[in-house]
Amino acid sequence: AQSVTQPDIHITVSEGASLELRCNYSYGATPYLFWYVQSPGQGLQLLLKYFSGDTLVQGIKGFEAEFKRSQSSFNLRKPSVHWSDAAEYFCAVGIDQTGANNLFFGTGTRLTVIP
Amino acid sequence: NAGVTQTPKFQVLKTGQSMTLQCAQDMNHEYMSWYRQDPGMGLRLIHYSVGAGITDQGEVPNGYNVSRSTTEDFPLRLLSAAPSQTSVYFCASSYSRGQGSGNTIYFGEGSWLTVV
Repeated sequence: AQSVTQPDIHITVSEGASLELRCNYSYGATPYLFWYVQSPGQGLQLLLKYFSGDTLVQGIKGFEAEFKRSQSSFNLRKPSVHWSDAAEYFCAVGIDQTGANNLFFGTGTRLTVIP
Repeated sequence: NAGVTQTPKFQVLKTGQSMTLQCAQDMNHEYMSWYRQDPGMGLRLIHYSVGAGITDQGEVPNGYNVSRSTTEDFPLRLLSAAPSQTSVYFCASSYSRGQGSGNTIYFGEGSWLTVV
């Protein structure tokens, strides 16, 4: 069965510092991988996605993620965090179901940014 | 272009009451789904549909019914609300997998439901 693990429940970083949010997945085939961000009381916004090809994926707001098949990981990175990046971040895996785009989400990582 | 629209945004129900969460999309997407979000648990799939007249269960379907009579609409029905159904509900839509477009999945803004 597929699963997604985000081992860090809460991360605090200083503004301007670098950021890495961890995501590990379990799935028998090559997965479709996503990172979403959710601000308090808001819906989900797609940051980036990986389907195939280049394992380093660029997203919006200066985020990037690297797919590492050998480690079953898809970690999210940003070189310099801004105060507006404070939010909850979700990693998700999409499995290959005919016609369906069902996602399995991790439990999320809440990011706090210190001025 | 409104995207994915959910109504209502907030609702308080009494235990045993029924209600329907509405979801509509104007992008001609075949795939639609409902998720619930609970603290510390991420989003979990309730039901999904790959086209009009076709629905299937997700990870946590108990207590919920769905139907898909049109491509645009995918309502979620709570027949007899329970406190355990207090949650935030998200509707999502996309083109069906294999139809290109990068399979981008669009989410609604959420519906906050409290069952007392």
